[in-house]
Amino acid sequence: SQKIEQNSEALNIQEGKTATLTCNYTNYSPAYLQWYRQDPGRGPVFLLLIRENEKEKRKERLKVTFDTTLKQSLFHITASQPADSATYLCALDPRQGGSTLGRLYFGRGTQLTVWP
Amino acid sequence: DTAVSQTPKYLVTQMGNDKSIKCEQNLGHDTMYWYKQDSKKFLKIMFSYNNKELIINETVPNRFSPKSPDKAHLNLHINSLELGDSAVYFCASSLRSTEAFFGQGTRLTVV
Repeated sequence: SQKIEQNSEALNIQEGKTATLTCNYTNYSPAYLQWYRQDPGRGPVFLLLIRENEKEKRKERLKVTFDTTLKQSLFHITASQPADSATYLCALDPRQGGSTLGRLYFGRGTQLTVWP
Repeated sequence: DTAVSQTPKYLVTQMGNDKSIKCEQNLGHDTMYWYKQDSKKFLKIMFSYNNKELIINETVPNRFSPKSPDKAHLNLHINSLELGDSAVYFCASSLRSTEAFFGQGTRLTVV
C-alpha cells in the first residue's frame, strides 16, 4: 500500500539548534514533494517544493533534500526559534504517466517545539 | 484580501441535518480541493475540481457532494450528517497542481 511517514509525531529542540524532520514514502513515484507548516486552528501554509530531479532546495533558514532512491525527504530548520514551533507536514503529488495526479497526499505531520 | 476563504468557521448541527460549507478563492487558480482533517490531525483529500470539472472523487460517502458554480468557488454539501463527520474541513486551491493555498478551515461538530 502507499504510505507517507514522518519520522516522529513530536520533536523538541533548544533554540538555536537545527531541527531535522524526515519524510519517507513507499509505493509512490512523486513528481515533486512539498513541505507545509500548520499552526493550531489554521490551515496549512506552503513552505517549499522540491522536484524529483532536484537534490536540495533552500529558502532562508529552511533546507529541503530529496532522495528518490531512498524515497526520503529531509526538512531542516537552522538556527531554530520558538516562533518555528508548529506542525510540519510533507505532501506529495504522485506521478501518473507523463503528468501528475493533481492531488496532494499528506503525511501525519511532526509537531516541532523549540524551547527558549 | 483573503486568498482562500471559507464559511462558516464553526458549524454545530444535529445528526441527520443537511449542511453546506462555502469556499471562494481570488487567486485565479484553476484547481480547488476539499480536505478533511480528523481528530488525529490527519489531512485527507476528499475532492478536487479543475476548470469546473470533477477530476478526482476519493472514496467518500455520496452524502458529500462538491458543487462548483465557477472557477473561483467550490462548495461542499453534506446530507444526513453523522457523528463521524465531525472534523475540520479545509478548502484549498492551486495553479496547475503546484503549491496549494488553504483556507482557515471549518470545524464541523455533529451532535
